This record gives sequence, structure tokens and C-alpha cells, in this order.
Amino acid sequence: TQLLEQSPQFLSIQEGENLTVYCNSSSVFSSLQWYRQEPGEGPVLLVTVVTGGEVKKLKRLTFQFGDARKDSSLHITAAQPGDTGLYLCAALDNYGQNFVFGPGTRLSVLP
Amino acid sequence: DSGVTQTPKHLITATGQRVTLRCSPRSGDLSVYWYQQSLDQGLQFLIQYYNGEERAKGNILERFSAQQFPDLHSELNLSSLELGDSALYFCASSVGLAGSQETQYFGPGTRLLVL
Repeated sequence: TQLLEQSPQFLSIQEGENLTVYCNSSSVFSSLQWYRQEPGEGPVLLVTVVTGGEVKKLKRLTFQFGDARKDSSLHITAAQPGDTGLYLCAALDNYGQNFVFGPGTRLSVLP
Repeated sequence: DSGVTQTPKHLITATGQRVTLRCSPRSGDLSVYWYQQSLDQGLQFLIQYYNGEERAKGNILERFSAQQFPDLHSELNLSSLELGDSALYFCASSVGLAGSQETQYFGPGTRLLVL
């Protein structure tokens, strides 16, 4: 069974600070997705990374897929209160049939 | 707004009861996924349907069942409810089958509280 680990579990920072959260596994993935979930809502897809070493940018968010496709990171520059939420990584299971989600990093950006 | 609708938004019931959660996918999406999210277990995949047929099963209990109807809406039935079934239940939809490039769109969820 694939297991996705995310760190840190909780993160509370001040507006304007930079941060990085991580998603790790012992398994190799064909792709990995990052979601953000705000309180009372469902997760929203931010990005899908497919190629080892791939870097994708979404405004102040930078996503990187590890060279070995076992890990990924999400870096946020100059965090804003609107970035507050639960950040989840997800990957297809070994059968390619459904997505396995990590436990998430709960980010709080204080004004 | 993802385009996926779920009803009801909140549900309070007692142990031993049965409830039905409903999901309408985005227009044009053929796949529907059900997830359970609890504080201690995170977001857990339950089951997937594609164009009316069951395609993948995850950690779904035998007390739970689902179906997808010809109009593509889906229902998740939870029976003999236990306190531990209290959770957020999400439905998601996508155009095709789960794949590396497939985007899942999540509904707002149904919050179930079993007393």
C-alpha cells in the first residue's frame, strides 16, 4: 500500500514570510497532484506534476517533483492570509485506479 | 463553485440508522468518486463509478454502498451507522477514468454527525 507523508503537519506563519511544505513516499509515482482545501469546502486542484525534476509555478506558488518521482515540495513566497488552508498531495495508486491522499499540511497565515 | 453539487450539506442522525447522500457531477463528467474525510484518517477514497459502472473500490465498509444512475448522479448509502462514521463525505467528478492527467472536481461535502 502506498503511503504519502506530508510535513510539517501544522504551520503558522506571519504574512509576508516564505514557506515550504513537503510530500514524501517510498513509492515511485507516475504523477503527483497538490490540492488546497479551505474550511467548509472541498479540495481544489492546484497543480499536477508528471516529469521527474519538473518545476511548475502558479503565481507565488512553486511546485517541484523530485527527480526520482518519490517526493514533491510546495514553496509559497510572501504568504498571504488567503493562502490559509489545508494543503494535500495526492498520487495515483499502483493500479492507476484511484488517488491516495496524504494527511495534509494545515497552514495558517496571520495578518 | 466546482459544478459538483452534494445534498444534504449537514446530516445529524443516530447510531444504527441509515442515510443516503446524493451527488450530482459536473455537466459532461462521467466519473464520480466518493471520499470520507475525518480528523484522524484524512481523506480516504471509498469508491468510483464511471458511466454507471463501478470501477474502483477503496476503503469502503460493507455497511456502505453506492450507485450511479443513468443520469449520472450518484448516491452513497450508509447503514447501521456508528459513532465513528461521523465525518465529511465528499463527492468528486471527472471527465474520464482516474489518470495522471485527470482533474477531479470536488463538491462542498456532506457533514455527517452520528449521535
